[in-house]
Amino acid sequence: DVKVTQSSRYLVKRTGEKVFLECVQDMDHENMFWYRQDPGLGLRLIYFSYDVKMKEKGDIPEGYSVSREKKERFSLILESASTNQTSMYLCASSARGRVGIANFGDGTRLSIL
Amino acid sequence: AQKVTQAQTEISVVEKEDVTLDCVYETRDTTYYLFWYKQPPSGELVFLIRRNSFDEQNEISGRYSWNFQKSTSSFNFTITASQVVDSAVYFCALRWDNQGGKLIFGQGTELSVKP
Repeated sequence: DVKVTQSSRYLVKRTGEKVFLECVQDMDHENMFWYRQDPGLGLRLIYFSYDVKMKEKGDIPEGYSVSREKKERFSLILESASTNQTSMYLCASSARGRVGIANFGDGTRLSIL
Repeated sequence: AQKVTQAQTEISVVEKEDVTLDCVYETRDTTYYLFWYKQPPSGELVFLIRRNSFDEQNEISGRYSWNFQKSTSSFNFTITASQVVDSAVYFCALRWDNQGGKLIFGQGTELSVKP
């Protein structure tokens, strides 16, 4: 069964901590994405990657960075967590030829205290 | 500017009712794609449909149908004879040309189907 797996379903961290959210896909997809989901705002793109070691900023990259050292893994990093980064984070992957058709993970609900 | 608007935040219906979820989009591009995704309570978004800007044919898949009208920049989604399992948040999304896999999502419509 093909899957996008996010390392944690729920995570609680403190302000100022460095936070890592991990995402792994087993479909050999070239593209990977990180979104955050907030009520009334839908999904907003944070960062995406078209290939290993490549990354591009999405619509709301401030306060975040990413790492893609291997094709199957895409990590989202909160350099110094703040309370306004409390949110649901969704990872997705897609094959290069399948325009916009993405597989999503279950999400990580992150709370910053 | 590219934008997707889902004006209905929440909809509540009784089982077997028909329900239409509205989606209005804005783009200056002539080549673009529209999508609907479903997010059940488990959290994982599931792809439902993709439409490109050159194909205005309506589509039906079982109890689901989609009405794409370029004249009104709308891509509405109708569920016929709704069921409790249809309860979810539904997102409309837009991808315009040369943007790789990037999608712009609407705010989402939470559909609640009561027995």
